[in-house]
Amino acid sequence: AQRVTQPEKLLSVFKGAPVELKCNYSYSGSPELFWYVQYSRQRLQLLLRHISRESIKGFTADLNKGETSFHLKKPFAQEEDSAMYYCALVGSARQLTFGSGTQLTVLP
Amino acid sequence: DTAVSQTPKYLVTQMGNDKSIKCEQNLGHDTMYWYKQDSKKFLKIMFSYNNKELIINETVPNRFSPKSPDKAHLNLHINSLELGDSAVYFCASSHNTGGPFREQYFGPGTRLTVT
Repeated sequence: AQRVTQPEKLLSVFKGAPVELKCNYSYSGSPELFWYVQYSRQRLQLLLRHISRESIKGFTADLNKGETSFHLKKPFAQEEDSAMYYCALVGSARQLTFGSGTQLTVLP
Repeated sequence: DTAVSQTPKYLVTQMGNDKSIKCEQNLGHDTMYWYKQDSKKFLKIMFSYNNKELIINETVPNRFSPKSPDKAHLNLHINSLELGDSAVYFCASSHNTGGPFREQYFGPGTRLTVT
């Protein structure tokens, strides 16, 4: 069975501080991992995916197979980063399994 | 506007009723999905569907049924609504035939309240 765990339901940081949203996964094969973001009153949208190895809006995420983690990081948080963040995994059934989400609040 | 759209945005109904939520995508995608987001913001897949295959999450009650009149639409029918069905329902679509998993594009959501 595949599972995604986001241990922090709520996370608050001050503007300009580094932020890390944790994600751990459980999957027996080679996973495809994603971060989705939902800003207030907006639809869920893809932020980044591990195979792209890109930085989007200053966010990066590295897949660590040894630790089965895919943590999302940004060195300097901005107020506009406040949103709900979901880590997600695609397994053999080609369906997204989402974590429970982390609500990030960036304080001024 | 190219997008995934859902109607209605809000739906308030009584227990025991039957209701439908419509979803349309004009992105030319081959696969569509329904998700349920509960009050704790937990997001769970309910169905995925393309022309060839319907994949149902085993935890979804059979009171829920997807209906696809064509490739651009995947409607969600719910029979005998229960209080626990209150949630936000999201439709999504993607290209998902072969190759790496593609980005899913989500609709704005339908907030269902069962009283």
